[in-house]
Amino acid sequence: NAGVTQTPKFRVLKTGQSMTLLCAQDMNHEYMYWYRQDPGMGLRLIHYSVGEGTTAKGEVPDGYNVSRLKKQNFLLGLESAAPSQTSVYFCASSLAGLNEQFFGPGTRLTVL
Amino acid sequence: DQQVKQNSPSLSVQEGRISILNCDYTNSMFDYFLWYKKYPAEGPTFLISISSIKDKNEDGRFTVFLNKSAKHLSLHIVPSQPGDSAVYFCPARGGSNYKLTFGKGTLLTVNP
Repeated sequence: NAGVTQTPKFRVLKTGQSMTLLCAQDMNHEYMYWYRQDPGMGLRLIHYSVGEGTTAKGEVPDGYNVSRLKKQNFLLGLESAAPSQTSVYFCASSLAGLNEQFFGPGTRLTVL
Repeated sequence: DQQVKQNSPSLSVQEGRISILNCDYTNSMFDYFLWYKKYPAEGPTFLISISSIKDKNEDGRFTVFLNKSAKHLSLHIVPSQPGDSAVYFCPARGGSNYKLTFGKGTLLTVNP
């Protein structure tokens, strides 16, 4: 039981490049979330999903897109990366909306 | 506008003593509070939670206290151990809104 995994762990991009971050969970959770954490800040919700095929905007959605084609996977896309998107990205999942969230190990992204 | 405030960026405690981590919130709609612990290069892990219908919840060495009138909660760790050294977050949510609002976190260092 791996829990929540994230791929890749580290990535460096140039401004304007695109990439996709993959999150996978093997706990059969309905809800999945993408957060970002900046230095000296708490986690902020980017997008979330309440089930396969659904997505919704969180607190800071601009510049990101997401997809949940399979229940166990939640993808976060950056179409045209900007230096302001340099951050650590965490994926999380929960059985239902009001259960505690389980977090992945994070992806450290640097945009030059 | 920070809805969840952790006013102490850091706290240092001797092994075996009590650690008290504090959290204040401004949103009166919050009715469920969680504590997460985060080690460097890892995702946050769930510790303990409390609903607004209670004022105390215990789990082993961890006790969370909620003072609704003061909009204040605290996490007590007794006795503190070096392995407790981590950043602690106290996210909150309200009603049927399952989105968590995080504070900036407090770095706890437990000295042997």
